[in-house]
Amino acid sequence: AQSVTQPDIHITVSEGASLELRCNYSYGATPYLFWYVQSPGQGLQLLLKYFSGDTLVQGIKGFEAEFKRSQSSFNLRKPSVHWSDAAEYFCAVDSNNDMRFGAGTRLTVKP
Amino acid sequence: NAGVTQTPKFQVLKTGQSMTLQCAQDMNHNSMYWYRQDPGMGLRLIYYSASEGTTDKGEVPNGYNVSRLNKREFSLRLESAAPSQTSVYFCASQAYSGNTIYFGEGSWLTVV
Repeated sequence: AQSVTQPDIHITVSEGASLELRCNYSYGATPYLFWYVQSPGQGLQLLLKYFSGDTLVQGIKGFEAEFKRSQSSFNLRKPSVHWSDAAEYFCAVDSNNDMRFGAGTRLTVKP
Repeated sequence: NAGVTQTPKFQVLKTGQSMTLQCAQDMNHNSMYWYRQDPGMGLRLIYYSASEGTTDKGEVPNGYNVSRLNKREFSLRLESAAPSQTSVYFCASQAYSGNTIYFGEGSWLTVV
């Protein structure tokens, strides 16, 4: 079965600094890849997704992610973090309706 | 726009009791899911249903059963609740594999 690894449990960045959240997946073929964000007490919101084609995908709120097949990675980036980006971020892999999530990375933003 | 609706929102059970979490979606989606979310473990897939009439086990199916009653509804049953099943449960739906998955608001379950 596929799996998703988010190596960083918790990341702290200063407001205005750049951000990269790591995601690695294990699967034989190229699955569909997603990033979701969850604010405290809320449900999950889709940031972006990758199907095929251009390996750099743009999402909402200024986020982007790059798919690297050779590294089985789908890292999320943002050039300048805002205080409102503080939340938990989940990478997800979808293979024929079997949709698995990583354990999440909690982002703290320092003023 | 109801989206994905799950009930109840909060429930306290005693060990050994049974209960069913209900989920319904009004988006005509084919696929439906049940996840549990625990601190530090993200969302773990319990069961999913790729289409009406089919169900499959996910990562953590033990202690749970599901029913895809029709295209709209997908219920999760705990036959004999255990404290280890204390968690937040999310139902979700998806039109097809690869599409955006939409979540319900969550059900907070405590087993004492």
